[in-house]
Order: sequence, then structure tokens, then C-alpha cells
Amino acid sequence: AQKITQTQPGMFVQEKEAVTLDCTYDTSDQSYGLFWYKQPSSGEMIFLIYQGSYDEQNATEGRYSLNFQKARKSANLVISASQLGDSAMYFCAMRENSGSARQLTFGSGTQLTVLP
Amino acid sequence: EPEVTQTPSHQVTQMGQEVILRCVPISNHLYFYWYRQILGQKVEFLVSFYNNEISEKSEIFDDQFSVERPDGSNFTLKIRSTKLEDSAMYFCASSEAEYYGYTFGSGTRLTVV
Repeated sequence: AQKITQTQPGMFVQEKEAVTLDCTYDTSDQSYGLFWYKQPSSGEMIFLIYQGSYDEQNATEGRYSLNFQKARKSANLVISASQLGDSAMYFCAMRENSGSARQLTFGSGTQLTVLP
Repeated sequence: EPEVTQTPSHQVTQMGQEVILRCVPISNHLYFYWYRQILGQKVEFLVSFYNNEISEKSEIFDDQFSVERPDGSNFTLKIRSTKLEDSAMYFCASSEAEYYGYTFGSGTRLTVV
């Protein structure tokens, strides 16, 4: 089974509108972390936001917020007031904190295009 | 802001040749990682490194791969005999502590011809 599922291969949003990028995850760990990264066409991976499994409040970072619904195992990224520079690939990732593994498992990504 | 530096940004190599991808992690970080992204696909974990040894590796990280931290600042990924399917973007990442966030480098795009 996929550990991270991003069901939207591509999304379009009008400039200045809000957009939600979906992410669901699968883990039996009680302690885990969820991350969102942005990858522009230049290729680098830019950290956006982090949510710990025990965090009671949804994470926010500027125009980014994470809609964390633990019971549904979803961690959707909300970008408010989209800008043209937000056009990029967005990856959801999870780190499970059990055992010795500390690596991230990534989803397949969502290509976001912001329209003028 | 501190950053992870990767060199070269792009490398082209002949099939069967050895390549070394270099990374300079953030100076106070203790955990180091290599990830790979084949064009158009998801990012995949290769290996993690802590306290001068491999702490975890994926099934992708077979005998043709090796990692080293030769001098306390550089962190290298060596591919001994490259194959066409090794063509990918390779990302180095580092983390200050076990449960902290990761900082990724800008990647090395490896093209095997």
C-alpha cells in the first residue's frame, strides 16, 4: 500500500484564489511527521510546512496552512492568495518515528499552475 | 540562511563510469541523506548517514552505491559503474537532530549516456 497518496496529478488555480492540495497517508505509527515541499521547474526542493502527529493545532506558515485531520489520515496543504510564483510541483512527505528509520517517504506530487 | 550545497549541478557521464556526487551539509547538522528523483517521478530515499556510518538504506542502494564523509564537511555519494537507469536528480539533505526538519540541497542532475 502507498504510504503517501496525492490524488491530484495537476491542479489549476486563478491568481489570488486559495487552493487545496490533497494528501492522505498510511501508517500504524503513533508518532510521525508530515511535510510539504515545493519543487519549482529549476528542480530544488523547498520546505514549506511541517505537522507533527501530536500537534493539536494545524500548522501555518505565512500563506501556507496544513489542514490536518488525523482520524482521516489526511494532511492537505492550503495555499491562500495564490501567486504566479506558486506554480510548481508540490510534494507531501511523511517521516515515521518508530524504529531506526528517519527518512522521508514522498507522494507522487501535484503540479500546480497558477493562472493570471 | 544556512544551506546545503551540492556540486556539480549537472553531470553527464558515460555508462559504466564512476561518478562522485558531492554535498556540503549545514555545519551543525548531524544526520545526512541522499534521495533520488527520476525525471517525472516521486522522490525516493536512498540512504541515511549518522555518526560516520550508514543508519538506513533502501533497496535501491545496492553494491554499486557508497557514501562517505571524508573530511568532516563533505558528504559524498559514489556510483561505481553507472547505468542508464541511474539518470536522475540526486538530492542531498541534512538534519540537525533526529526528529528535526530536513534541508535539501539544490540537487545534482546526473545524465548517463
